[in-house]
Amino acid sequence: EIVMTQSPATLSVSPGERATLSCRASQSIATKLAWYQHKPGRAPRLLIYGASTRATAIPARFSGSGSGTEFTLTISSLQSEDFAVYYCQHYNSWPYTFGQGTKLEIK
Amino acid sequence: EMQLLESGGNLAQPGGSLRLSCAASGFTFSNYAMTWVRQAPGKGLEWVSSISGSGYSAYYVDSVKGRFTISRDSSKNTLYLQMNSLRAEDTARYYCAKNDGDWPLSNDYWGQGTLVTVSS
Repeated sequence: EIVMTQSPATLSVSPGERATLSCRASQSIATKLAWYQHKPGRAPRLLIYGASTRATAIPARFSGSGSGTEFTLTISSLQSEDFAVYYCQHYNSWPYTFGQGTKLEIK
Repeated sequence: EMQLLESGGNLAQPGGSLRLSCAASGFTFSNYAMTWVRQAPGKGLEWVSSISGSGYSAYYVDSVKGRFTISRDSSKNTLYLQMNSLRAEDTARYYCAKNDGDWPLSNDYWGQGTLVTVSS
């Protein structure tokens, strides 16, 4: 089983600033990685797939990068609606495990 | 407009059974793989099971193998999760998600979830 490790667990950032979230895979997953945003009481939302491709209707301030075992989600200028929990998930081999999540909170 | 509507969540006793349903609309259901993901109280997301668009291939997390069965009925545009031999650790909100192709890859659209509580 591939273990996905996200860091930090909590990130405090002021609106308008940049946020950088990390995700590490325990073995190479090429670019078979997705990022999701999850707000309390809401359905999760796909942000990025293929490590770097924005999903439909996702604003350009969200970007993903990386390959192999190291991945990054960057939010270039935080808006109030961006404060949420973010998860990475690989889809390289079964089981398709998630990271434990990074909570992005307002500083 | 795409919609996924889960139902069937309830309070169940340990060792009991539940069947979750996910009614899909707004897309050609049989063309897409589908997935169940759960979130236990205070925990993160956990992939549970996926099924290919054809329904011929299904995959499960080890903790539910032999107890849960995923299936789909394209005539009803509905995804199912039959949950048997329920345990306290199965308590979670269960989300169904549409995959972005006929093979399970990323989950590009999610429902709001249905709550399963396993307790005596």
